Amino acid sequence: DTGVSQNPRHKITKRGQNVTFRCDPISEHNRLYWYRQTLGQGPEFLTYFQNEAQLEKSRLLSDRFSAERPKGSFSTLEIQRTEQGDSAMYLCASSPGTGNSPLHFGNGTRLTVT
Amino acid sequence: AQKVTQAQTEISVVEKEDVTLDCVYETRDTTYYLFWYKQPPSGELVFLIRRNSFDEQNEISGRYSWNFQKSTSSFNFTITASQVVDSAVYFCALRPHRDDKIIFGKGTRLHILP
Repeated sequence: DTGVSQNPRHKITKRGQNVTFRCDPISEHNRLYWYRQTLGQGPEFLTYFQNEAQLEKSRLLSDRFSAERPKGSFSTLEIQRTEQGDSAMYLCASSPGTGNSPLHFGNGTRLTVT
Repeated sequence: AQKVTQAQTEISVVEKEDVTLDCVYETRDTTYYLFWYKQPPSGELVFLIRRNSFDEQNEISGRYSWNFQKSTSSFNFTITASQVVDSAVYFCALRPHRDDKIIFGKGTRLHILP
């Protein structure tokens, strides 16, 4: 169990640029989640995958956000035309998918939009 | 509504004191799961405990204990004989059975002073 891995750890970008984050879940976990955390707040759900299928998207996920998990393994989260309000910690988590399974989180990618 | 409330934004105690972190939840589901996570300064969310709604037994793990009371919709977390390493942000979270995502509270920042 190597844990959930996220890259990069930090990303600084200028407003209007596109950014992409990667998440590698725990290998036997079929569910993968993306959350966003801003300063002083708890993680907020963005979207999740069961294998390669994206099953739910939050209203927080505007059209500028897109997530993929093409082979049911790693996932990418892309933000197009970044805005300063996108600055946050983006957290990825995975779980085996059974009803009461906890989520196992990665270290997150901290995005700063200048 | 599905909601988790952690009314204590920040708590400071002196090392070796006991401290209780409060959590109140709301859900329409009769079956649900409750969680506590720890987020140390390094940023990674660490899973501490899961409790099913049909299991009201309290649990103790070393210096940590959890008090689940359905009658008051509370799931409080007590640290006995606190240590400086306990300093972190602690999140209470809820997963209604019919939902596939975990909803987090805003967290309580705990400072253990030497």
